[in-house]
Amino acid sequence: NAGVTQTPKFQVLKTGQSMTLQCAQDMNHEYMSWYRQDPGMGLRLIHYSVGAGITDQGEVPNGYNVSRSTTEDFPLRLLSAAPSQTSVYFCASSSPWGGLYTFGSGTRLTVV
Amino acid sequence: KNEVEQSPQNLTAQEGEFITINCSYSVGISALHWLQQHPGGGIVSLFMLSSGKKKHGRLIATINIQEKHSSLHITASHPRDSVVYICAVRSGETSGSRLTFGEGTQLTVNP
Repeated sequence: NAGVTQTPKFQVLKTGQSMTLQCAQDMNHEYMSWYRQDPGMGLRLIHYSVGAGITDQGEVPNGYNVSRSTTEDFPLRLLSAAPSQTSVYFCASSSPWGGLYTFGSGTRLTVV
Repeated sequence: KNEVEQSPQNLTAQEGEFITINCSYSVGISALHWLQQHPGGGIVSLFMLSSGKKKHGRLIATINIQEKHSSLHITASHPRDSVVYICAVRSGETSGSRLTFGEGTQLTVNP
């Protein structure tokens, strides 16, 4: 089925560990983005990409890296996990003219 | 003050009632999005508006650019409408423009 595939769904990390959240879309969308969702707050933009080879920072980029080597994939890397990064993470994509967004199913990350 | 404010935060209704969820924003926008977030966490796009009104089934979204306000209406509400509704605004013309989200409105429709 066409859409955004996000893995894993759940992850527990120890402080200082690193990991990569995977995001892939098969809709040929040029725009992809990562958000985090915390209780009592709206989703906040971490990083985004407007096409292969192009990435930029969002509202809360510290502690996260991204790369976009293909149109389909946009992984999010946590370099050294901290408890403050405990959150639910969503990947989303859309066409470049800013149409509807398609979201992945989310990753619930706990850093202990 | 948040750039996007939704009201109410929580809304309880009886099945069949007409529901209104409001979204006010304080920045210039090129588009406004309404989304649903389901209990398992999944987020689904409902509408994208830049002017006027859109309708899909029992859902109607309106926007007043001058007043910086949008409403999401649900007619003949049903218990299956019991999810979180989220408003988000886009400040630029392309997808690379930032989306700013409201905190969401939890709707509960009782049978």
